[in-house]
Amino acid sequence: KQEVTQIPAALSVPEGENLVLNCSFTDSAIYNLQWFRQDPGKGLTSLLLIQSSQREQTSGRLNASLDKSSGRSTLYIAASQPGDSATYLCALVLYSGGGADGLTFGKGTHLIIQP
Amino acid sequence: NAGVTQTPKFRVLKTGQSMTLLCAQDMNHEYMYWYRQDPGMGLRLIHYSVGEGTTAKGEVPDGYNVSRLKKQNFLLGLESAAPSQTSVYFCASRRTTTDTQYFGPGTRLTVL
Repeated sequence: KQEVTQIPAALSVPEGENLVLNCSFTDSAIYNLQWFRQDPGKGLTSLLLIQSSQREQTSGRLNASLDKSSGRSTLYIAASQPGDSATYLCALVLYSGGGADGLTFGKGTHLIIQP
Repeated sequence: NAGVTQTPKFRVLKTGQSMTLLCAQDMNHEYMYWYRQDPGMGLRLIHYSVGEGTTAKGEVPDGYNVSRLKKQNFLLGLESAAPSQTSVYFCASRRTTTDTQYFGPGTRLTVL
């Protein structure tokens, strides 16, 4: 059974710092990997999606990398801002016989950016 | 374009009562999903649908039923609610041609 682990569980850094969030998974036969952010009491917002054939994806100040052989992904946030404060979730796409289906989630990293 | 909406936003049930959660999407997506989110457990897939009239079980389907009679709607039913079903329920959808899932705002359910 695929397991997804996110470290650290919580992180607090001063505004302006660059930071890295980590995600590890036990089965390298993934279809793709996605990073989401979740604000308190809200739904999830997709940030980046990396296909299994890709090594990284970038969107603005965010960069996500994928290393299937080591079972790891990182989310790099450059020049952090207070508005980046949220819980960040890593999720893998399960792959059934009929095609890609639901997501397997990590428990998230709760990020606080101090003004 | 409202995206993915969920009804109701909050609900309190007594043990043994039944209810239906409604998920609606206006993006003409083929795939729809129900997840539950519990403290310390992360989000887990309950059921999903790959198209109108089809449903399939996810990781934690026991105690739930689903229906997809219309493409835009995905219903999650609890026939006899139990305290273990206290959770936040999220619906999501996506197109066949892309893997990005779009999530609704969630329904917070408490079973007493």
